[in-house]
Amino acid sequence: DAGVIQSPRHEVTEMGQEVTLRCKPISGHNSLFWYRQTMMRGLELLIYFNNNVPIDDSGMPEDRFSAKMPNASFSTLKIQPSEPRDSAVYFCASDRGNEQYFGPGTRLTVT
Amino acid sequence: KQEVTQIPAALSVPEGENLVLNCSFTDSAIYNLQWFRQDPGKGLTSLLLIQSSQREQTSGRLNASLDKSSGRSTLYIAASQPGDSATYLCAVRNAGNMLTFGGGTRLMVKP
Repeated sequence: DAGVIQSPRHEVTEMGQEVTLRCKPISGHNSLFWYRQTMMRGLELLIYFNNNVPIDDSGMPEDRFSAKMPNASFSTLKIQPSEPRDSAVYFCASDRGNEQYFGPGTRLTVT
Repeated sequence: KQEVTQIPAALSVPEGENLVLNCSFTDSAIYNLQWFRQDPGKGLTSLLLIQSSQREQTSGRLNASLDKSSGRSTLYIAASQPGDSATYLCAVRNAGNMLTFGGGTRLMVKP
């Protein structure tokens, strides 16, 4: 199994630009999670899908952030417009309700 | 709201020592508890998963214990090695299927 796959691994963009992060969960996992990690705030849950349906998006910072899961093997996290304070590492994780597995993360830098 | 605390925040030990990392949580109604390892610039790797009905889990030199009633878990690392240097995070899963993470313990094992 290839594990959770995220792309791109690094993204550098200018303030105001749209950013799209992508995630492919482990096959057979029915839950998908998007997290953000910063030195100041640690690891924060942004949104959680179960069977492709968003269950809890209370962690999404504001309307500039949106996430979709059009099918069981793909999810996107979009930031539009991006701001310097969005700079962080964004992780995607998946599970079947038990042990959770993380992807390698996308390091986002907004200048 | 579940809160997870890890003590100490940082730990430096000489190679060969046995050590204990601590994790405490405020709501004992957990589904399971997971210990992760994170190397600098990398994603989270699952080390051990303890179900709420279990008292401990072992993998190689690692042993994790769980005392649900007191809201505590410990990760014991035997005969530490420089390769064990990393940040260790614990996370608890409540009925809502979401993980709540502690702030992590940054471990340095000196040769």
